[in-house]
Amino acid sequence: GGIITQTPKFLIGQEGQKLTLKCQQNFNHDTMYWYRQDSGKGLRLIYYSITENDLQKGDLSEGYDASREKKSSFSLTVTSAQKNEMAVFLCASSLTGGAYTEVFFGKGTRLTVV
Amino acid sequence: GDSVTQTEGQVALSEEDFLTIHCNYSASGYPTLFWYVQYPGEGPQLLFRASRDKEKGSSRGFEATYDKGTTSFHLRKASVQESDSAVYYCALSEWGNNKLTFGQGTVLSVIP
Repeated sequence: GGIITQTPKFLIGQEGQKLTLKCQQNFNHDTMYWYRQDSGKGLRLIYYSITENDLQKGDLSEGYDASREKKSSFSLTVTSAQKNEMAVFLCASSLTGGAYTEVFFGKGTRLTVV
Repeated sequence: GDSVTQTEGQVALSEEDFLTIHCNYSASGYPTLFWYVQYPGEGPQLLFRASRDKEKGSSRGFEATYDKGTTSFHLRKASVQESDSAVYYCALSEWGNNKLTFGQGTVLSVIP
């Protein structure tokens, strides 16, 4: 098996601040994802990447940048944190194999903006 | 675009009660359907999936049947336990597409 490690676990930022979330996986998966989780809204895709240096926008990419520096790591940047924003950001990975592929998730980074 | 709708936002049951969580989907093609479960402090994990009409997915006493006619994939369990308390997500993925589209999630609380 493998594991997805997200750092930090908790992130508190100031309004307008640029904040970076990091993710590492040791599954040797090609595809990695960032999802945002809000209570009552489910998980919404921010960015995904099917290989190193590839980036694809999801439904919620505005206000975020991403970077796939190498196969095992995928970073997400909140470009300007919004006051009172609270959400959990989930990193995930999978094989690049089509619709039947299982996606594996990390435990999340909880963001609070004051 | 694709979408998934879960009718119940929160469900509270007693142990040994029957569980149903409704999931309906809208997709342009022929998607694979999933149920994921998220326990407190953890990320979502796959419960099971189904990719063909009338296929039944199952795991740990939970089951759902892919119904293309009614575009549904309802989650059921005959007798819930306190350890089943978690958030349950219905999701879909289209062929040729690595992305999962999730429903809003259902918080299940089972009272002993």
